[in-house]
Amino acid sequence: DIQMTQSPSTLSASVGDRVTITCRASQSISTWLAWYQQKPGKAPKLLIYKTSTLESGVPSRFSGSGSGTEFTLTISSLQPDDFAPYYCQQYNSFPLTFGGGTKVEIK
Amino acid sequence: QVQLVQSGTEVKKPGASVKLSCKASGYTFTNFAIHWVRQAPGQRLEWMGRVNTGNGNTQYSQEFQGRVTITRDTSASTANMELSSLRSEDTAVYYCARSSYDYSCFDYWGQGTLVTVSS
Repeated sequence: DIQMTQSPSTLSASVGDRVTITCRASQSISTWLAWYQQKPGKAPKLLIYKTSTLESGVPSRFSGSGSGTEFTLTISSLQPDDFAPYYCQQYNSFPLTFGGGTKVEIK
Repeated sequence: QVQLVQSGTEVKKPGASVKLSCKASGYTFTNFAIHWVRQAPGQRLEWMGRVNTGNGNTQYSQEFQGRVTITRDTSASTANMELSSLRSEDTAVYYCARSSYDYSCFDYWGQGTLVTVSS
C-alpha cells in the first residue's frame, strides 16, 4: 500500500497569510494526487485533482504542485473560510489512501 | 444537481452487521463508480472499496476483505455497503463518494452515516 504523510499536522496562521501544506507518498504516484478540505460535521470537499487542477468553483488562491513523491497545497492569502483540516489522497493505485490531515487553525 | 443521499444513523452491537445505502440523483448513475470511505473519530479517511455501477464489479481494500460487500441497484440508482462482524473499532462516519472510472478521486460525497458499535 502507498503511505501518504502530511506535514505539518497542525498549522497556525492568520488571515492573509500564505500557507503551504506538504504531502509525501511512500512511492511514486506520478501526479495522481487530490486535495480535500473538510469542514466540521461535513463530507470532504474536492479542491484540487491531478496535483494542480482546480476543481470548478474553488477559489484561485488555492494551488497545488509536485510530482512523484512530494506535493504541496498552497493557499496564497488565507481567508476566514479556509480554517479547516485538509487531506491529500493518492489515486495512482489501489487501495486508495489518504494523508493524516493538516488542521489549519487561527493563530 | 448531483446528490448522494445516505441512509441514517445506525447503532449496532459487536458481532452484528450493518447495511448502509447511498442514493444518487442528478446524473446517469452507471457512468460513475461509487466508493465507500470511512472516518473513525480522530483518524484519517480510510478507503473501503468501490463498485462499478455499470457492471457491478467490485474492488475492496484488503483491510476489509471478507467483511465488506458493496452492491448496486441500477433501477434505484442506489449503492449499498454491508459490513459484517462489527467491532468497536468500526465506529465511524461512513461516506459514499463518486468518481469517474478512470480517475479515482471524489468529486461528490454523501452526507455521511454515523455507525456506532457498542455493547
